[in-house]
Amino acid sequence: GAVVSQHPSRVICKSGTSVKIECRSLDFQATTMFWYRQFPKKSLMLMATSNEGSKATYEQGVEKDKFLINHASLTLSTLTVTSAHPEDSSFYICSAARYNEQFFGPGTRLTVL
Amino acid sequence: AQSVTQPDIHITVSEGASLELRCNYSYGATPYLFWYVQSPGQGLQLLLKYFSGDTLVQGIKGFEAEFKRSQSSFNLRKPSVHWSDAAEYFCAVASTGANNLFFGTGTRLTVIP
Repeated sequence: GAVVSQHPSRVICKSGTSVKIECRSLDFQATTMFWYRQFPKKSLMLMATSNEGSKATYEQGVEKDKFLINHASLTLSTLTVTSAHPEDSSFYICSAARYNEQFFGPGTRLTVL
Repeated sequence: AQSVTQPDIHITVSEGASLELRCNYSYGATPYLFWYVQSPGQGLQLLLKYFSGDTLVQGIKGFEAEFKRSQSSFNLRKPSVHWSDAAEYFCAVASTGANNLFFGTGTRLTVIP
């Protein structure tokens, strides 16, 4: 149990376009989901905390207008990278909270050309 | 502010040898401590966690970790490493259970035959 999926696993897009990444909790309901960004050989950096039915809470330095987060249901949160640029290329990981633990998705590799 | 230090970027061990991965944290109160493993193409998997109680924590896959408050450490150990243990290992600290996880930079483990 406690499986989290992400879609797509890999995406390549042109600079200036928008990309949507989905995060789903498959077998449990999650009122809170998290979005992380992982740079090569670096730690996971928390971008934002997503709560179902309310606005996301962004970490300092994360542009909320560039990284739009929607948590419309208890099993789905989406991250939209708007007007993507090459510096947005990264590995994005979501997690869903259940009791006192976060369950992580497999990640999405975004490459912006 | 909380921080996590994993001093070893890369460790190589022989299969069957013992393993210790170091983790030091900085946090004002009693922390919630975690060890995660990340394999290529897979999400982070929780190996073990410490919230309170016995300072020696047993986890999955034969791993254990010991919380030493006096040293601000939470080192991960395994008595006999298997080739399948090769992966990236992350130590993390949180203030309140599963929320606001702060990750170390990770230690990459290579296992040689």
